[in-house]
Amino acid sequence: TQLLEQSPQFLSIQEGENLTVYCNSSSVFSSLQWYRQEPGEGPVLLVTVVTGGEVKKLKRLTFQFGDARKDSSLHITAAQPGDTGLYLCAGRIQGAQKLVFGQGTRLTINP
Amino acid sequence: NAGVMQNPRHLVRRRGQEARLRCSPMKGHSHVYWYRQLPEEGLKFMVYLQKENIIDESGMPKERFSAEFPKEGPSILRIQQVVRGDSAAYFCASSPLSNVANYGYTFGSGTRLTVV
Repeated sequence: TQLLEQSPQFLSIQEGENLTVYCNSSSVFSSLQWYRQEPGEGPVLLVTVVTGGEVKKLKRLTFQFGDARKDSSLHITAAQPGDTGLYLCAGRIQGAQKLVFGQGTRLTINP
Repeated sequence: NAGVMQNPRHLVRRRGQEARLRCSPMKGHSHVYWYRQLPEEGLKFMVYLQKENIIDESGMPKERFSAEFPKEGPSILRIQQVVRGDSAAYFCASSPLSNVANYGYTFGSGTRLTVV
């Protein structure tokens, strides 16, 4: 059973297009994070969202935490080949110390 | 300003041998987490340790797997009598506090274990 469901699992689009990746759960999280992972490397933290409804921007990336703190989305504007990678959402369940990860979204941006 | 250091990067073991994976957290970080990743999948939690204490080992198989984080030296993930199904990438992460809500993890580059 996957606590955090990411969709889509695979996405291949052309440079310049926009895209949204979703991270959904039936559980409430005290915080949620997004990571990006390159082949052969460990995940790198992109952002942490803590408050329900919170929106954070990182250049062309926009992250949103759902009002009920059960879901999140990552929107990329004008995607570039450098955005290619595995995007992982991870949530911390209230009262727990560890992070649980989604299965990831493999994003490919074609020139 | 070294990050999380894992070694070795690649490890090949024959079935039945022992695998020992090492993780040195970032300077000032006293909390270590181990995760396992299969190809094209997310990370599965294994164990959470502080210095000399195992805090949460709920994701670690009861048999053949053990972890430690001694007072001095790196954290060690040990897999005894490895089987083919143990082949995966093992990642270590560290954080400065137990509350990762605002701090997140810093991951190492992982150890890729191949059992032949």
